Amino acid sequence: AQSVTQLDSHVSVSEGTPVLLRCNYSSSYSPSLFWYVQHPNKGLQLLLKYTSAATLVKGINGFEAEFKKSETSFHLTKPSAHMSDAAEYFCVVSDASGTYKYIFGTGTRLKVLA
Amino acid sequence: EADIYQTPRYLVIGTGKKITLECSQTMGHDKMYWYQQDPGMELHLIHYSYGVNSTEKGDLSSESTVSRIRTEHFPLTLESARPSHTSQYLCASRGTGGFQPQHFGDGTRLSIL
Repeated sequence: AQSVTQLDSHVSVSEGTPVLLRCNYSSSYSPSLFWYVQHPNKGLQLLLKYTSAATLVKGINGFEAEFKKSETSFHLTKPSAHMSDAAEYFCVVSDASGTYKYIFGTGTRLKVLA
Repeated sequence: EADIYQTPRYLVIGTGKKITLECSQTMGHDKMYWYQQDPGMELHLIHYSYGVNSTEKGDLSSESTVSRIRTEHFPLTLESARPSHTSQYLCASRGTGGFQPQHFGDGTRLSIL
């Protein structure tokens, strides 16, 4: 069975400092992994996806994530936080059993301090 | 931005009313999904569809029903709304092939009085 764990429910950073949002996964198959962002009263927007082509994945708005198979991790980073980055972030693994379902983490709320 | 639309965006309605939440996508995606999300919480899959005339219940039990008569349209219906149905409902779709992400609508925030 597959699962995803977001290690921090809340993260606070100062504007201009680095962001690290942690995600560990469990999968019996080669996983498809995604990071989404959700702003208040909005749907989820895709930040980036891991497709096995490269372990370091670059996404939109300066975010990137590194797939580490040995650590079963897919942490999301950004060198310098902006006030507009304040939102909820979800790590997602695609169910490889053929059902085309997705397993969502419980989310990490990022707060950016001025 | 993905072309997936949900209406209404907000709905406040009394107990016992029949409600239909609309979801349409213009990307020709076969697979569509409905999620329920309480404020600040994770998403729970309540329904999904692999294509026309195909619907399945998700992991979270729901009193709602869905239909898929056309590829682009995946409405969700509550026959008799109750306060426990108050939540945000998110619709998503994905294309064919491996490593496909889901594309989400902006959601419907439903409040049952």
